Amino acid sequence: AQKITQTQPGMFVQEKEAVTLDCTYDTSDPSYGLFWYKQPSSGEMIFLIYQGSYDQQNATEGRYSLNFQKARKSANLVISASQLGDSAMYFCAINNNDMRFGAGTRLTVKP
Amino acid sequence: NAGVMQNPRHLVRRRGQEARLRCSPMKGHSHVYWYRQLPEEGLKFMVYLQKENIIDESGMPKERFSAEFPKEGPSILRIQQVVRGDSAAYFCASSRRSTKGRTDTQYFGPGTRLTVL
Repeated sequence: AQKITQTQPGMFVQEKEAVTLDCTYDTSDPSYGLFWYKQPSSGEMIFLIYQGSYDQQNATEGRYSLNFQKARKSANLVISASQLGDSAMYFCAINNNDMRFGAGTRLTVKP
Repeated sequence: NAGVMQNPRHLVRRRGQEARLRCSPMKGHSHVYWYRQLPEEGLKFMVYLQKENIIDESGMPKERFSAEFPKEGPSILRIQQVVRGDSAAYFCASSRRSTKGRTDTQYFGPGTRLTVL
């Protein structure tokens, strides 16, 4: 069975600074996908970034990058130059046979 | 905008009534997934469907819950005889290809917030 863990229930970051949100996972399957989603207070789930288990390079999407360390089974999300609009819940998810989500990290960006 | 659509966005039911939640996938997507989110928790997988087929219902409660994705029309998540513990946000996602054993992205709808009085 696959399992995903987000150990930070809440994080604070100063506007314009970078922040790293932690995510570790456990799976015995060699092929899997790792995803990050953002859930603002309005409630919708917004896809941010994806990393495949066989991808050689870390994924990047604008201000989002994924620090993928396969041997350590971690897939941390890095948000550079934080903005006030980044305040939200962030969920890490692993997908092989079904999608499993972590408990989430609530990020608050301070002005 | 051909995003995943869910309706209603908010649904209030009394205990014992039925709740019907609808999901229209993104254009070109034929795979639909339903998730439940309790307050302050992550999403929990419920069921995965393709047109006219249930592929994986390992996350569905054994009783009162059912799902379908007919040949024509939206996918429906049906909860019979609702109880207060069913109060949650229910999200639908869709993908172009199957994400079982693959890495296709699931795109989520805005969710339906069910409140059982």
